[in-house]
Order: sequence, then structure tokens, then C-alpha cells
Amino acid sequence: EIVMTQSPATLSVSPGERATLSCRASQSVTYNLAWYQQKPGQAPRLLIYAASTRATGIPARFSGSGSGTEFTLTISSLQSEDFAVYYCQQYHNWPPLTFGGGTKVDIK
Amino acid sequence: QVQLVESGGGVVQPGRSLRLSCAASGYDFRTYAIHWVRQAPGKGLEWVAVIWSDGSTQYYGDSVKGRFSISRDDSKNTVYLQMNSLRAEDTAVYYCARNSGWFTHWGQGTLVTVSA
Repeated sequence: EIVMTQSPATLSVSPGERATLSCRASQSVTYNLAWYQQKPGQAPRLLIYAASTRATGIPARFSGSGSGTEFTLTISSLQSEDFAVYYCQQYHNWPPLTFGGGTKVDIK
Repeated sequence: QVQLVESGGGVVQPGRSLRLSCAASGYDFRTYAIHWVRQAPGKGLEWVAVIWSDGSTQYYGDSVKGRFSISRDDSKNTVYLQMNSLRAEDTAVYYCARNSGWFTHWGQGTLVTVSA
């Protein structure tokens, strides 16, 4: 099983600032990585797939990078609606599909 | 537009069974696999099970293997998750999601609470 580790667990950021979230895989997943955003009481929403491709309707302030075992989600200028929990997920080698433990982005 | 709607959640005693449903609409149901993903209260996401688009293959997470069963009825555009021998640790919101490797569409979730 590929273990996904996200850091930090919580990130405190001021509106308008940049946020950088990390995701590490226990073995290479090449580019087979997705990012999701989840707000309280809502289902996750796909942001990024194939490590760096934005999903339909996702603003350009969200960008993904990385390959192999190290990945980054960057939110270039945080808006109020971006405060949420973010999860990474690998789909390179499964079953099982595996998620990271999440990074909560909250208001500084 | 693509819609996935879960139903069937509720409160159930340990050891009992429950069947969840995921009704799909807005796309050709037979062309995508459907997964179940769950989220325990205050916790992260855990993959539970998948059924292939043609129903030929199913896979399960280790924590539910042998207790849960996934199936689909193409005539009703619906996927089911039969959950047997439920445990307290199965308490979670259960989401169904459409898969292309990554999860493009999710339902709103249905809450399952296993408690005496």
C-alpha cells in the first residue's frame, strides 16, 4: 500500500498570502496524483489531477507541481472561500486508492 | 449535469446490516467505475470499495473486506454497498464517487452511525 503523508497538518495564512501545501508518497506515483478541497459539511471537490492539471472551473490561483514522491499544491493568493481542508490522493498503484491525512488551511 | 445521490444511511446496532444506494444521473452510467469513500467524524478520507463500469470486478479496502459487498444495477443507474457485521469503527459519512483514476464527481454523502 502506498502511504501518503501531508504537511503541515494545519497552515495558518492571512487572506491574500500564498499557501504552500506538501504531499509525500511512500513510493513513486509518477504523476498520478490528485488534490481535493473539502469545506465543513460538504463533499470533497476535485482541484488538480495528473499532479498539475486543474479540473474544470478551478481558478488559476490553484496550481499543482511535483512528480515521483514529492508534490506541492500552491494557492497563490488566498481568498476567503479557500479556507478549507485539502487532501492529496494517489491513483498510481491500487487497490487500495490512498489519501493523505489532510492539511487544514485556516485564517491567521 | 452529473449527479450522484446517496441514500440508506442511519443508525444501526453493532453486528447488524445496512444497504446504501448511489443513484447516478446526467451521464452514461455504464461507462464509469463507481467507488465508495468514507469519512469518520473529524477524520480524513478512506477508500472503501470500487465496482468496474461493466460490473466485472470489485475491490475492497482491507478494513471492510469480507463484510461489505458492492454491486450495481444498470437498469436503475444505481450502485449499492451492502454492509454486514457492522462495527462502531464503520461510523462515517459514506460518499459515492465517479472515477477516472481521480474522483471527478462526488455525492453529498450519507451518514452511517453504528451504535448500541
